[in-house]
Amino acid sequence: NAGVTQTPKFRVLKTGQSMTLLCAQDMNHEYMYWYRQDPGMGLRLIHYSVGEGTTAKGEVPDGYNVSRLKKQNFLLGLESAAPSQTSVYFCASRPRTGQLNYGYTFGSGTRLTVV
Amino acid sequence: SQQGEEDPQALSIQEGENATMNCSYKTSINNLQWYRQNSGRGLVHLILIRSNEREKHSGRLRVTLDTSKKSSSLLITASRAADTASYFCATDAWRGAQKLVFGQGTRLTINP
Repeated sequence: NAGVTQTPKFRVLKTGQSMTLLCAQDMNHEYMYWYRQDPGMGLRLIHYSVGEGTTAKGEVPDGYNVSRLKKQNFLLGLESAAPSQTSVYFCASRPRTGQLNYGYTFGSGTRLTVV
Repeated sequence: SQQGEEDPQALSIQEGENATMNCSYKTSINNLQWYRQNSGRGLVHLILIRSNEREKHSGRLRVTLDTSKKSSSLLITASRAADTASYFCATDAWRGAQKLVFGQGTRLTINP
Protein backbone atom coordinates (compact mmCIF):
# COMPACT_ATOMS: atom_id res chain seq x y z
CA ASN A 1 0.00 0.00 0.00
CA ALA A 2 1.90 3.05 -1.29
CA GLY A 3 -0.50 5.74 0.01
CA VAL A 4 0.06 9.04 -1.81
CA THR A 5 2.83 9.18 -4.39
CA GLN A 6 4.11 12.40 -5.93
CA THR A 7 6.25 12.68 -9.03
CA PRO A 8 8.72 14.15 -9.63
CA LYS A 9 10.45 14.69 -6.28
CA PHE A 10 12.66 17.51 -7.54
CA ARG A 11 12.54 19.79 -10.56
CA VAL A 12 14.26 22.94 -11.77
CA LEU A 13 12.41 25.03 -14.33
CA LYS A 14 13.31 28.13 -16.25
CA THR A 15 10.95 31.08 -16.07
CA GLY A 16 8.16 30.63 -18.62
CA GLN A 17 8.43 26.86 -18.87
CA SER A 18 5.49 24.61 -18.12
CA MET A 19 5.25 21.39 -16.19
CA THR A 20 2.79 19.00 -14.57
CA LEU A 21 3.07 17.52 -11.10
CA LEU A 22 1.40 14.16 -10.64
CA CYS A 23 -0.26 12.90 -7.49
CA ALA A 24 -1.50 9.32 -7.28
CA GLN A 25 -3.27 7.63 -4.38
CA ASP A 26 -4.21 3.99 -4.02
CA MET A 27 -6.58 4.30 -1.05
CA ASN A 28 -9.76 4.97 -3.05
CA HIS A 29 -10.04 8.40 -1.43
CA GLU A 30 -12.62 10.83 -2.76
CA TYR A 31 -10.97 14.09 -1.74
CA MET A 32 -7.60 15.27 -3.00
CA TYR A 33 -5.66 18.49 -2.37
CA TRP A 34 -2.65 20.41 -3.57
CA TYR A 35 -0.78 22.60 -1.07
CA ARG A 36 2.37 24.65 -1.33
CA GLN A 37 4.73 25.19 1.57
CA ASP A 38 7.01 28.20 1.79
CA PRO A 39 9.38 29.08 4.66
CA GLY A 40 7.52 30.69 7.53
CA MET A 41 4.17 30.44 5.71
CA GLY A 42 2.90 27.02 6.69
CA LEU A 43 0.85 25.22 4.05
CA ARG A 44 -1.47 27.07 1.71
CA LEU A 45 -4.17 25.39 -0.36
CA ILE A 46 -3.86 25.80 -4.14
CA HIS A 47 -6.69 23.66 -5.53
CA TYR A 48 -8.71 20.71 -4.36
CA SER A 49 -11.12 18.09 -5.65
CA VAL A 50 -14.06 16.42 -3.94
CA GLY A 51 -14.41 13.72 -6.58
CA GLU A 52 -13.54 12.53 -10.05
CA GLY A 53 -14.17 15.24 -12.64
CA THR A 54 -14.52 18.05 -10.07
CA THR A 55 -12.02 20.71 -9.00
CA ALA A 56 -12.20 23.92 -6.98
CA LYS A 57 -9.93 26.83 -6.15
CA GLY A 58 -8.19 27.15 -2.84
CA GLU A 59 -6.44 30.07 -1.21
CA VAL A 60 -3.67 30.64 -3.80
CA PRO A 61 -4.86 29.29 -7.19
CA ASP A 62 -3.39 31.90 -9.54
CA GLY A 63 -0.86 30.51 -12.02
CA TYR A 64 -1.95 26.90 -11.49
CA ASN A 65 -4.46 24.56 -13.10
CA VAL A 66 -5.59 21.12 -12.02
CA SER A 67 -7.38 18.10 -13.41
CA ARG A 68 -8.98 15.02 -11.84
CA LEU A 69 -9.83 12.79 -14.76
CA LYS A 70 -9.38 9.62 -12.73
CA LYS A 71 -10.29 9.16 -9.09
CA GLN A 72 -6.80 8.07 -8.12
CA ASN A 73 -4.91 10.91 -9.86
CA PHE A 74 -4.78 14.65 -9.27
CA LEU A 75 -2.58 16.70 -11.59
CA LEU A 76 -1.22 20.17 -10.88
CA GLY A 77 -0.09 22.21 -13.88
CA LEU A 78 2.05 25.31 -14.14
CA GLU A 79 1.44 26.92 -17.52
CA SER A 80 4.20 29.54 -17.37
CA ALA A 81 6.43 29.12 -14.35
CA ALA A 82 7.52 32.17 -12.36
CA PRO A 83 10.19 32.47 -9.64
CA SER A 84 7.38 33.13 -7.12
CA GLN A 85 6.27 29.53 -7.69
CA THR A 86 9.50 28.21 -6.21
CA SER A 87 8.18 26.11 -3.33
CA VAL A 88 7.61 22.65 -2.00
CA TYR A 89 4.34 21.18 -3.25
CA PHE A 90 2.39 18.62 -1.29
CA CYS A 91 -0.50 16.49 -2.38
CA ALA A 92 -2.92 15.03 0.16
CA SER A 93 -6.02 12.88 0.13
CA ARG A 94 -8.73 11.70 2.48
CA PRO A 95 -11.85 9.57 2.27
CA ARG A 96 -15.38 10.89 2.11
CA THR A 97 -17.07 10.30 5.44
CA GLY A 98 -20.40 11.27 6.83
CA GLN A 99 -18.92 13.40 9.57
CA LEU A 100 -15.90 14.81 7.70
CA ASN A 101 -13.68 13.70 10.55
CA TYR A 102 -10.70 12.07 8.93
CA GLY A 103 -7.07 13.09 8.84
CA TYR A 104 -5.29 13.68 5.56
CA THR A 105 -2.64 11.41 4.06
CA PHE A 106 0.20 13.43 2.54
CA GLY A 107 2.70 12.64 -0.16
CA SER A 108 6.41 13.27 0.38
CA GLY A 109 6.43 16.46 -1.67
CA THR A 110 7.89 17.93 -4.86
CA ARG A 111 10.61 20.52 -4.47
CA LEU A 112 10.33 22.95 -7.39
CA THR A 113 12.81 25.70 -8.18
CA VAL A 114 12.08 28.26 -10.89
CA VAL A 115 15.12 30.20 -12.10
CA SER B 1 -5.38 33.51 5.02
CA GLN B 2 -3.98 31.45 7.84
CA GLN B 3 -6.63 30.15 10.21
CA GLY B 4 -4.36 28.91 12.94
CA GLU B 5 -1.60 30.69 14.74
CA GLU B 6 0.85 28.60 16.69
CA ASP B 7 2.88 29.49 19.70
CA PRO B 8 5.76 29.28 20.19
CA GLN B 9 7.28 29.35 16.71
CA ALA B 10 10.25 27.40 18.03
CA LEU B 11 10.80 25.31 21.16
CA SER B 12 13.96 23.61 22.38
CA ILE B 13 13.89 21.25 25.37
CA GLN B 14 15.90 18.42 26.90
CA GLU B 15 15.08 14.81 26.21
CA GLY B 16 12.63 13.47 28.76
CA GLU B 17 10.93 16.82 29.34
CA ASN B 18 7.38 17.59 28.25
CA ALA B 19 6.68 19.83 25.26
CA THR B 20 3.58 21.99 24.94
CA MET B 21 2.52 23.75 21.78
CA ASN B 22 -0.49 26.02 21.40
CA CYS B 23 -2.77 26.84 18.50
CA SER B 24 -5.36 29.58 18.16
CA TYR B 25 -7.90 29.88 15.37
CA LYS B 26 -10.50 32.35 14.19
CA THR B 27 -13.70 30.66 12.99
CA SER B 28 -16.00 27.89 14.18
CA ILE B 29 -14.71 24.42 13.35
CA ASN B 30 -15.79 20.82 12.77
CA ASN B 31 -12.52 19.50 14.09
CA LEU B 32 -8.91 20.43 14.73
CA GLN B 33 -6.00 18.23 13.72
CA TRP B 34 -2.31 18.06 14.55
CA TYR B 35 0.38 16.97 12.11
CA ARG B 36 4.11 16.32 12.38
CA GLN B 37 6.64 17.07 9.67
CA ASN B 38 10.18 15.78 9.84
CA SER B 39 12.75 17.82 7.94
CA GLY B 40 12.37 17.38 4.18
CA ARG B 41 9.41 15.03 4.51
CA GLY B 42 5.63 15.12 4.14
CA LEU B 43 3.18 15.73 6.95
CA VAL B 44 1.99 12.88 9.12
CA HIS B 45 -1.39 12.98 10.82
CA LEU B 46 -1.08 12.67 14.60
CA ILE B 47 -4.47 13.23 16.16
CA LEU B 48 -7.90 14.70 15.45
CA ILE B 49 -10.19 16.27 18.02
CA ARG B 50 -13.81 17.04 17.23
CA SER B 51 -15.48 20.31 18.16
CA ASN B 52 -17.58 18.58 20.83
CA GLU B 53 -14.55 17.00 22.51
CA ARG B 54 -12.38 18.71 25.12
CA GLU B 55 -9.45 16.33 25.46
CA LYS B 56 -7.98 13.41 23.59
CA HIS B 57 -5.03 11.11 24.17
CA SER B 58 -2.90 9.03 21.84
CA GLY B 59 0.16 7.39 23.34
CA ARG B 60 2.41 10.20 24.61
CA LEU B 61 0.24 12.85 22.96
CA ARG B 62 -2.47 14.81 24.73
CA VAL B 63 -4.59 17.34 22.87
CA THR B 64 -7.03 19.77 24.43
CA LEU B 65 -9.59 21.95 22.71
CA ASP B 66 -11.33 25.03 24.10
CA THR B 67 -13.89 26.19 21.57
CA SER B 68 -14.91 29.17 23.71
CA LYS B 69 -11.35 30.51 23.45
CA LYS B 70 -10.80 29.08 19.96
CA SER B 71 -7.61 27.44 21.07
CA SER B 72 -5.95 24.04 21.29
CA SER B 73 -2.80 22.65 22.82
CA LEU B 74 -0.64 19.65 22.02
CA LEU B 75 1.36 18.09 24.86
CA ILE B 76 4.10 15.58 24.14
CA THR B 77 5.18 13.83 27.32
CA ALA B 78 8.58 12.26 28.01
CA SER B 79 10.06 13.69 24.81
CA ARG B 80 12.56 11.75 22.73
CA ALA B 81 15.13 12.85 20.16
CA ALA B 82 12.91 11.32 17.47
CA ASP B 83 10.20 13.87 18.35
CA THR B 84 12.35 16.60 16.79
CA ALA B 85 10.15 17.94 13.99
CA SER B 86 7.76 20.72 13.06
CA TYR B 87 4.23 20.43 14.38
CA PHE B 88 1.23 21.98 12.66
CA CYS B 89 -2.33 22.49 13.76
CA ALA B 90 -5.02 22.52 11.09
CA THR B 91 -8.69 23.36 11.29
CA ASP B 92 -11.61 21.96 9.35
CA ALA B 93 -14.08 24.83 9.32
CA TRP B 94 -17.76 24.45 10.17
CA ARG B 95 -19.84 24.56 6.98
CA GLY B 96 -16.57 24.74 5.10
CA ALA B 97 -15.75 22.94 1.88
CA GLN B 98 -13.89 19.97 3.35
CA LYS B 99 -10.50 21.64 3.33
CA LEU B 100 -7.97 22.04 6.11
CA VAL B 101 -6.36 25.37 6.90
CA PHE B 102 -2.92 25.10 8.49
CA GLY B 103 -1.06 27.19 10.98
CA GLN B 104 2.55 28.19 10.49
CA GLY B 105 3.87 25.48 12.77
CA THR B 106 6.09 25.07 15.80
CA ARG B 107 9.65 23.87 15.30
CA LEU B 108 10.43 21.46 18.17
CA THR B 109 14.01 20.47 18.94
CA ILE B 110 14.74 17.77 21.50
CA ASN B 111 18.29 17.95 22.84
CA PRO B 112 19.90 14.69 24.01
